[in-house]
Formats: sequence, structure tokens, C-alpha cells
Amino acid sequence: DTGVSQDPRHKITKRGQNVTFRCDPISEHNRLYWYRQTLGQGPEFLTYFQNEAQLEKSRLLSDRFSAERPKGSFSTLEIQRTEQGDSAMYLCASSLGGYTYEQYFGPGTRLTVT
Amino acid sequence: AQRVTQPEKLLSVFKGAPVELKCNYSYSGSPELFWYVQYSRQRLQLLLRHISRESIKGFTADLNKGETSFHLKKPFAQEEDSAMYYCAWSFGNEKLTFGTGTRLTIIP
Repeated sequence: DTGVSQDPRHKITKRGQNVTFRCDPISEHNRLYWYRQTLGQGPEFLTYFQNEAQLEKSRLLSDRFSAERPKGSFSTLEIQRTEQGDSAMYLCASSLGGYTYEQYFGPGTRLTVT
Repeated sequence: AQRVTQPEKLLSVFKGAPVELKCNYSYSGSPELFWYVQYSRQRLQLLLRHISRESIKGFTADLNKGETSFHLKKPFAQEEDSAMYYCAWSFGNEKLTFGTGTRLTIIP
């Protein structure tokens, strides 16, 4: 296990198109988080899952965004009708539940909307 | 509003000099506080957290509840410490709230 992986690493799309990103967490981790990072800012929380249940969604997550974790393993983040303001680095992280707080981050997917 | 503030976007320090990266938080309660680091071309990773009270790579951070601060310190900077540093807090094993980060550059 080489850690959290994300695919693709880079995505360039035209405004209005739909995009989907995938995150594969560390295998025994039951919590999975999505964050978004724009230039000059720290990562901002989007949503997180405990196994397959989506437990919290940020107000940043508009109706155009949807995330799933269907079998409690990998997760997908879909953005519909992309806008230029969606251009950012999308980060995934995973952690064990309970009292182990460390979140392990993936390399991120850089989205550019033209 | 509950937030983490890192007042310095950029910090340059000479090799061998002490380093202090500032972090202030505003939260009523007992959050968990962390420092995350991102080295060039690497992923974001945990450096240390306040409950561990440990020193990692020579760095320490003490939670000062009176000043609501969690500053990161190292007595003697090394060139490999150049990186982006983020202070973050969490309540329970849930979402992290990050500061805007400080880019630390160690001058040889």
C-alpha cells in the first residue's frame, strides 16, 4: 500500500463540461475526506465519509458537486457544468476512525477550467 | 467565527537561526491542533499535533490556551526545513480547518 492515491493528477476541461475524480484511500481507513485548495489558500473542507455514509457537506459544495463512496472503499467527486471558479487542487485524505486523528493526504488532482 | 490565523505568508530565516511560525486560533472549546507541512513536489503530511507533545524533525509546538496560540518552533533551522507549513484544527476526528499557510525559506 503506497498511501492515498488520486486519479487523474491533472485535468483540463472546458467550462460547462462534467468532470469526475477518483480517490483510493489507505485500505483499512474508514474515513475519507475531500478538500479543495486554491492558490494562496490552505485546503478547505468539502465533505467526508465514514465508510459509505456521507456525514458532512460544506456549504462550499454546491448542487453541482456530488461525492460518493459506494462500497466504503474508493470515492468519486463529480463536478457538473464546471465553471472557471472550480479551478483548484482537489485533495483527498483518509484516516482511521476513533481516536487516531491523523489524516493522510493524496497527491491531489489539479483541475483547470478554461 | 472559528478559524486559524497564520499572520505570515512568507518567512525567511538563515540556516542555524531559530524558527518560529505563528498560529493563532479562535474556537470555544478544546480543539485538536496540528501542524501540516508540504515539501516541494510532495504531498501534504502531518508534522505534529498538540496532544502528542513530541518533537518531530526538531520542531515543537506548545498549545497556549491563554493566548490561543500554537506556534511552531525550531531552535536551529536547516535547509531541508524549507517548505509550506499549515496550522490546522479539528474537533473530534472530523474535518480539518486550515490556515492560509506560511512559506518558510531557509537561507544557506
